[in-house]
Amino acid sequence: QVHLVQSGAEVKKPGASVKVSCKTSGYTFTSYGVSWVRQAPGQGLEWMGWISAYNGNTNYAQKLQGRVTMTTDTSTNTAYMELRSLRSDDTAVYYCARDSGTTVTTEDFDYWGQGTLVTVSS
Amino acid sequence: EIVMMQSPATLSVSPGERATLSCRASESVRSNLAWYQQKPGQAPRLLIYGTSTRATGIPARFSGSGSGTEFTLTISSLQSEDFAVYYCQQYNNWATFGGGTKVEIK
Repeated sequence: QVHLVQSGAEVKKPGASVKVSCKTSGYTFTSYGVSWVRQAPGQGLEWMGWISAYNGNTNYAQKLQGRVTMTTDTSTNTAYMELRSLRSDDTAVYYCARDSGTTVTTEDFDYWGQGTLVTVSS
Repeated sequence: EIVMMQSPATLSVSPGERATLSCRASESVRSNLAWYQQKPGQAPRLLIYGTSTRATGIPARFSGSGSGTEFTLTISSLQSEDFAVYYCQQYNNWATFGGGTKVEIK
């Protein structure tokens, strides 16, 4: 079975950085992309960006450009999302999702991680 | 950025009734449209992709239709487990989500 298991909850101060991991199993990692989606408390879903696990191509949502970096480690089938210069409005549950878009662009998200709560508070 | 708008924000439906959810795109997304279901405290679940193709394991009571800028998710006969929030997502130009429709028990 396909599984995406994310790292645990984080509490960070404003201005700090956070790095969330997403360990995958049950499929060929490099045959898919990974998208990251976040959800602020009581709010809807916000797409953050996509990375191809095949060639490392990335695309980030415009509002996060310059603050977010997505990477993969094909030796451990793990994806990472780092968000820098954290603000209080970055408080959210962060999800990784297997993206059917493999090399060029994002598509639908057919499997999701369990979510990682990141709280930004002084 | 393509803006996705969902209506209504909340839909009150009795079990066994039909639910029709709408999603509109600010520009054409062709058929590159997916629907997700999310229950409280859970990750979203893919229901429909490519406008009308059900994802693996999704019951036939869920159906999707539309093209271009207007899309519909229909749940033919609501079951108790279908009360949730539903999101549409376009992936014609990267990805954006609609604001969601909450389907609640009438």
